[in-house]
Amino acid sequence: EAGVTQFPSHSVIEKGQTVTLRCDPISGHDNLYWYRRVMGKEIKFLLHFVKESKQDESGMPNNRFLAERTGGTYSTLKVQPAELEDSGVYFCASSRGLTSGNTIYFGEGSWLTVV
Amino acid sequence: QQPVQSPQAVILREGEDAVINCSSSKALYSVHWYRQKHGEAPVFLMILLKGGEQKGHEKISASFNEKKQQSSLYLTASQLSYSGTYFCGTAVFSGGYNKLIFGAGTRLAVHP
Repeated sequence: EAGVTQFPSHSVIEKGQTVTLRCDPISGHDNLYWYRRVMGKEIKFLLHFVKESKQDESGMPNNRFLAERTGGTYSTLKVQPAELEDSGVYFCASSRGLTSGNTIYFGEGSWLTVV
Repeated sequence: QQPVQSPQAVILREGEDAVINCSSSKALYSVHWYRQKHGEAPVFLMILLKGGEQKGHEKISASFNEKKQQSSLYLTASQLSYSGTYFCGTAVFSGGYNKLIFGAGTRLAVHP
C-alpha cells in the first residue's frame, strides 16, 4: 500500500511569489490533514478535510493560504503571495478517522523556503 | 490546547534509558506518539487509548494516566536508531470529527 506522497519535496521561492503544494493521501483515507513545522517548533495543525469538505481550517494562518481537495482525492495547498515567515516544512497526513485506535500517517513533507 | 512535552532534549549513551512525558490541560481521549528523523516523515510509534488499550511498537512502551491527563514514553536500552525528535499528539474533537494536536517535541540523541 502506497503511503502519503507529497510534491514538491523542496521549493525555494522569492517573497511575493506563489507556491502550490500537492498531497496524495493513502487510498481509502477520507480524512486529510495539513500541518506545518517551523524549525524547532511543534507540528502545527493547519487544516482538516473529510472527503472534499473542509472540516476544520482553524489553523490556517491567514487568507494567503488556500487549500482544496478536488473530488475528495488529492489536495493542494497554495500560498499566495508567499512571505518570509511562511518558510517551514508542510506535512500532509491522512487517516481513516481517529476512532477505534486509528491514527494518522504522514508524508515526508514539502520543505518551503521563502527568500 | 497544545500538549506540553518534557524534557525538551535528552542525550543518551547507547544502552541507557529515557522517559519522555506529555501532559495536557484537557481531558485526553487518546495519545499518539511519533518519532521524526531529520528530513523524514514523522513515523507512528504507539497509540494509547482512554481505558488503557495500547497499540504500537514492540521495543518501546508507554503509559497513559487519564486522571493526571498525561502520558509517558519509555525508551529502554536505547539504540542509535532511537535518535530523533519525539512528538506526542492528542486527539481533539471538533464538530464530530477529530484532529491531532502536537506538542513541541523532545529531541533525543543517542551516542555510541
